[in-house]
Amino acid sequence: QVQLVQSGAEVKKPGASVKVSCKTSGYAFSHHFIHWFRQAPGQGLEWMGWVNPYSGATTYAPNLRHWVTFTRDTSINTAYMELRSLKSDDTALYFCARASPSNWNCDHWGQGTLVTVSS
Amino acid sequence: DIHMTQSPSSLSASIGDRVTITCRASQTIPSHLNWYQQKPGKAPNLLIYDIYTLQNGVPSRFSGSGSGTDFTLTISSLQTEDLATYFCQQSSTTPWTFGQGTKVEIK
Repeated sequence: QVQLVQSGAEVKKPGASVKVSCKTSGYAFSHHFIHWFRQAPGQGLEWMGWVNPYSGATTYAPNLRHWVTFTRDTSINTAYMELRSLKSDDTALYFCARASPSNWNCDHWGQGTLVTVSS
Repeated sequence: DIHMTQSPSSLSASIGDRVTITCRASQTIPSHLNWYQQKPGKAPNLLIYDIYTLQNGVPSRFSGSGSGTDFTLTISSLQTEDLATYFCQQSSTTPWTFGQGTKVEIK
């Protein structure tokens, strides 16, 4: 079955960087875009962008494009999200999700990774 | 960016009730309007995509409708397992954007 398993919780100081992994299984990794989302405590969902695992091409949300990088390693079916220059309002639960074949929605999600930014 | 506004922000209903959640977009969305269910502490789960298409495995008591800028999620007969927050989301243009969510509670 399709699974996306994310790396564990992180605690970082302001100004630091964090890298979250998303290991996939149960499907052809290169055939489905991976999207990233985040959810601040008690808040709604924010789309961060996507990576095309086949080509490595990326699209970022305009408000994050200068601080976030998506990469992937096709040899281990894993996608990565790196966020730099962390601020306290980057504290959130970060999700990876597999796009459907059409890439118009996300049909399988990771369990989420809590990133806490605190001095 | 397309701004999505959901109403109500929360509701309380009894088991068996018909529940309706609305979502209004700031611009016309031709087709890519999705609904997700999120239970406490869990990842979102895709319920309906492209306005009215039920995702595989989702109970038929869930349905979607609408066009243009106004969309609706309906639960025909509320069940205890439907306790969750529901989000609409547009993927017609980037950045994808979500409504603020509707929290459904059981009376």
